[in-house]
Amino acid sequence: GAVVSQHPSRVICKSGTSVKIECRSLDFQATTMFWYRQFPKQSLMLMATSNEGSKATYEQGVEKDKFLINHASLTLSTLTVTSAHPEDSSFYICSARDLGKGEQFFGPGTRLTVL
Amino acid sequence: AQSVTQLGSHVSVSEGALVLLRCNYSSSVPPYLFWYVQYPNQGLQLLLKYTSAATLVKGINGFEAEFKKSETSFHLTKPSAHMSDAAEYFCAVSESAGNNRKLIWGLGTSLAVNP
Repeated sequence: GAVVSQHPSRVICKSGTSVKIECRSLDFQATTMFWYRQFPKQSLMLMATSNEGSKATYEQGVEKDKFLINHASLTLSTLTVTSAHPEDSSFYICSARDLGKGEQFFGPGTRLTVL
Repeated sequence: AQSVTQLGSHVSVSEGALVLLRCNYSSSVPPYLFWYVQYPNQGLQLLLKYTSAATLVKGINGFEAEFKKSETSFHLTKPSAHMSDAAEYFCAVSESAGNNRKLIWGLGTSLAVNP
């Protein structure tokens, strides 16, 4: 089946620094990738939809200048949390849509802890 | 607009007992419906999906779900629970068409399996 990877799996950073999370579709091309945030014991919250070669579409309430998304190729999207603060600590999950199959495949997630 | 309601945030069953996780949806267009499983600190894995073919859908790990339009339900079942089934289960709905169609998520049901 289709595989989506995320890197890093865990990251701990100091408050005020920026963190980049990569999402890769390993064996298929994904014109659309999605970024989610998940708080403990809660459901996934869609942050933004990323389309290759164009600007991401952010959900209401998500700061686009704080959560920078770049989808430069059909297999890679990145999420950069700028000037991270402790309240940004969360589990970030990406998914990629296989154009041929039409379904989303999820990455294993990235645990971000901001001290 | 679409929405998903998962009845019961926590379900506990004995090993070998029937598993029933409830999901009701609301959609003004023909929906696609999904069940995902999430193990601790991991991403999401697709259990099964309904995409307007057979109303009884069989998935991985012995799970199945039945789409009932009259009841707007898509409940997940497994005849005999195994200890390894303990996880978080999410029901999701999406529109059946559109490149950027989003998944709308339920809040999740935590399944505990007792020996």
